[in-house]
Amino acid sequence: AQSVTQPDIHITVSEGASLELRCNYSYGATPYLFWYVQSPGQGLQLLLKYFSGDTLVQGIKGFEAEFKRSQSSFNLRKPSVHWSDAAEYFCAVHSGGSNYKLTFGKGTLLTVNP
Amino acid sequence: DTEVTQTPKHLVMGMTNKKSLKCEQHMGHRAMYWYKQKAKKPPELMFVYSYEKLSINESVPSRFSPECPNSSLLNLHLHALQPEDSALYLCASSKPGQWARKLFFGSGTQLSVL
Repeated sequence: AQSVTQPDIHITVSEGASLELRCNYSYGATPYLFWYVQSPGQGLQLLLKYFSGDTLVQGIKGFEAEFKRSQSSFNLRKPSVHWSDAAEYFCAVHSGGSNYKLTFGKGTLLTVNP
Repeated sequence: DTEVTQTPKHLVMGMTNKKSLKCEQHMGHRAMYWYKQKAKKPPELMFVYSYEKLSINESVPSRFSPECPNSSLLNLHLHALQPEDSALYLCASSKPGQWARKLFFGSGTQLSVL
């Protein structure tokens, strides 16, 4: 069965600093990988996804993520964080095929200091 | 219209009440989902409807009763809930053939059971 690990429960960065949120997955084949963001009391918004091809994917709001098969990782990065980026971030994996299930990591809460 | 609309946004109910959550989309999506999200946890899949037929029930207690009366509307009927059922209830939808690879989430209903 597939699984997702987000090692950092809570990260605090200063506004303008760079950001990297870690995600490791466990799956036998190449999975479909996602990063979602959730503001308090809100739904989830898709930041970016990786299905195949170029391992560096660009998303919305200036985020990017890199798929590294050798490390089973899909880390999310942003070069300069804005106060509005404070939110919960979820990494997720889909096994592909005719499947309605996404497996989410436990999430990383990002706090941005002024 | 690229939105999934959920009503109400907030709901407080007693353990003997009957209430319903509503979810609506007009994007032509034929898969609709209910997720339950406890505070500081990832979303947990409850139900999936595909072409208005129940496709997945993740062993959800019978006090939660889903209904999909047409391709645009998804309801979740609540009866005799427990305080531990207090959570954010998220609706999502996806296009035919996309499965869970591209989910559109609503903003959720924050439910409190007293």
